[in-house]
Amino acid sequence: DIQMTQSPSSLSASVGDRVTITCRASETISNNLNWYQQKPGKAPSLLIATSSSLQRGVPSRFRGSGSGTDFTLSISSLQPEDFATYYCQQNSSTPRTFGQGTRLQIK
Amino acid sequence: QVQLVQSGADVRRPGASVKVSCKASGYSFTKYTLSWVRQAPGQGLEWMGWINPYNDNTESAQKFQGRLTMTTDTSTDTAYMELTNLTSDDTAVYYCARDVSGSLDSWGPGTLFTVSS
Repeated sequence: DIQMTQSPSSLSASVGDRVTITCRASETISNNLNWYQQKPGKAPSLLIATSSSLQRGVPSRFRGSGSGTDFTLSISSLQPEDFATYYCQQNSSTPRTFGQGTRLQIK
Repeated sequence: QVQLVQSGADVRRPGASVKVSCKASGYSFTKYTLSWVRQAPGQGLEWMGWINPYNDNTESAQKFQGRLTMTTDTSTDTAYMELTNLTSDDTAVYYCARDVSGSLDSWGPGTLFTVSS
């Protein structure tokens, strides 16, 4: 199975800050990497597919990049609604493993 | 718009089985696969498997093989996930999600089931 490792596991930041979350795959996955946002008590929602393709309705302050084994999710100017947990997921092969999550909290 | 409606919360004894339903609307049901993902309390997301409603092909994570059955009913656009021989480790919220080439672009609200004696 491909292991996905996110860092950091948690992050404190302020409204207006720029933050970056990284995700590393245990083997190369090309650009087969998705990012999800999950708020407490809610289902996850897809933010970015295939490493950098922003989903419809997702603000442009979110940006995904990377290929191979190393990927990043950046949020350029944090808004109050962005405080949530973020997960990466590889869909290069099954099982389609998720990272352990990064909890983004308000400082 | 795409909507996935799941069955309600449930409680089961250890050793029992449970079946969760996921009714799809707003798109052509047989055009996309459906994945099942679970989340134990306070934990991360775990992909369980997917089913193709067009031909009922399935693939599941090895840890669930032998216990997990995924089916669909195309007459009602409903997918089902059955998990057998439950243990307390199966206590989780179970989600169905539309799977578009490996990206889970629409999710159901989740079904919590608790395994407890």
